[in-house]
Amino acid sequence: GAVVSQHPSWVICKSGTSVKIECRSLDFQATTMFWYRQFPKQSLMLMATSNEGSKATYEQGVEKDKFLINHASLTLSTLTVTSAHPEDSSFYICSARLASSSNEQFFGPGTRLTVL
Amino acid sequence: DAKTTQPTSMDCAEGRAANLPCNHSTISGNEYVYWYRQIHSQGPQYIIHGLKNNETNEMASLIITEDRKSSTLILPHATLRDTAVYYCIVRVARGNQGGKLIFGQGTELSVKP
Repeated sequence: GAVVSQHPSWVICKSGTSVKIECRSLDFQATTMFWYRQFPKQSLMLMATSNEGSKATYEQGVEKDKFLINHASLTLSTLTVTSAHPEDSSFYICSARLASSSNEQFFGPGTRLTVL
Repeated sequence: DAKTTQPTSMDCAEGRAANLPCNHSTISGNEYVYWYRQIHSQGPQYIIHGLKNNETNEMASLIITEDRKSSTLILPHATLRDTAVYYCIVRVARGNQGGKLIFGQGTELSVKP
């Protein structure tokens, strides 16, 4: 299957700093990427849908000014957590959808963010 | 809104078949049933999907009832590496609403030796 990578795999930062997470589709083009957040013992929660070349669409309750999403190319989307706080500590997972009619999605391995 | 209902947890003996049920009584005619699984601290992995016919691939079989209100994922010979949370998701496969995977709580499957 298609491969999606995330970088970094884990990050520890101080409260108040910003953290950027990259999501790349390695062997296919993805017009649409999705960002999820997962807290311990909970399910994945969809944060936003990222379309190449346009503004991201955020789910209800997700602050667009805090979670900045950029999808500048068909193989790269970035999520920046601005002014991170301990409550932003979570597992962030991206997925990429094949640029075809199949609508198949492939998930990255996730990024563990810990804010001190 | 929860569109699927799954048991919270299940146990299965290694080497036996694991049968994971899912209820989706409000499924629409253009919605497919998808199954993903998530091994601890990893991203979800696609397993199988179907519309109304039973499906089989190298990983599993998907049995969908005739009224499409429920389905069962079957892992024919479960191994310890199949221990994971299994998610049943219904979604439109095509069009503008296609592609949004909304995860419920899933079933935590524990395969025991």
